[in-house]
Amino acid sequence: AQSVTQLDSQVPVFEEAPVELRCNYSSSVSVYLFWYVQYPNQGLQLLLKYLSGSTLVKGINGFEAEFNKSQTSFHLRKPSVHISDTAEYFCAVSSLSGNQFYFGTGTSLTVIP
Amino acid sequence: NAGVTQTPKFQVLKTGQSMTLQCAQDMNHNSMYWYRQDPGMGLRLIYYSASEGTTDKGEVPNGYNVSRLNKREFSLRLESAAPSQTSVYFCASSVAGQGANEQFFGPGTRLTVL
Repeated sequence: AQSVTQLDSQVPVFEEAPVELRCNYSSSVSVYLFWYVQYPNQGLQLLLKYLSGSTLVKGINGFEAEFNKSQTSFHLRKPSVHISDTAEYFCAVSSLSGNQFYFGTGTSLTVIP
Repeated sequence: NAGVTQTPKFQVLKTGQSMTLQCAQDMNHNSMYWYRQDPGMGLRLIYYSASEGTTDKGEVPNGYNVSRLNKREFSLRLESAAPSQTSVYFCASSVAGQGANEQFFGPGTRLTVL
């Protein structure tokens, strides 16, 4: 079975500052990794995903994430955040077959003007 | 394209009442999912349907039943609601059940059980 740990439940950051949201996973087999974003009172939408290949994955809205197999991590980064990035961010892991899919507990990112 | 739609958006029930949450998608997706979201616990999978005619339990299926009515629709039923089922419920769909595929989410149903 897989599991996902998001180490920070809340991250406040000033506008135009860089941010890193941390995600670690545990699995005994190969997995796919995802970051989703949830804006207030909305459903989730995909930011980016890692399936294979290059360990640096670029997503929408200037976000990127790096897959580190040795540290079992998939941290999300953005070099300069905007007010509109204020949202809840979820890391997720999926088995290759898709019959097991787990979300982390979420990180609430608040961008301060 | 409306994507994934859910009804109702809000619902208040008394303990012991029953209700069905409706979900429909117009993207011709094969797989559909029901999640619940609780503070500090992220999203947890209740049931999923890999394809029309099949359903499987997820992480937290107790107290729920599902029906994959056709390829478009996937409903979630609470037979006897309990306060512990107060949550936000999300329906999602994907092209297929393989792990690489993105899931598309509906706007959610906020359920309160008194």
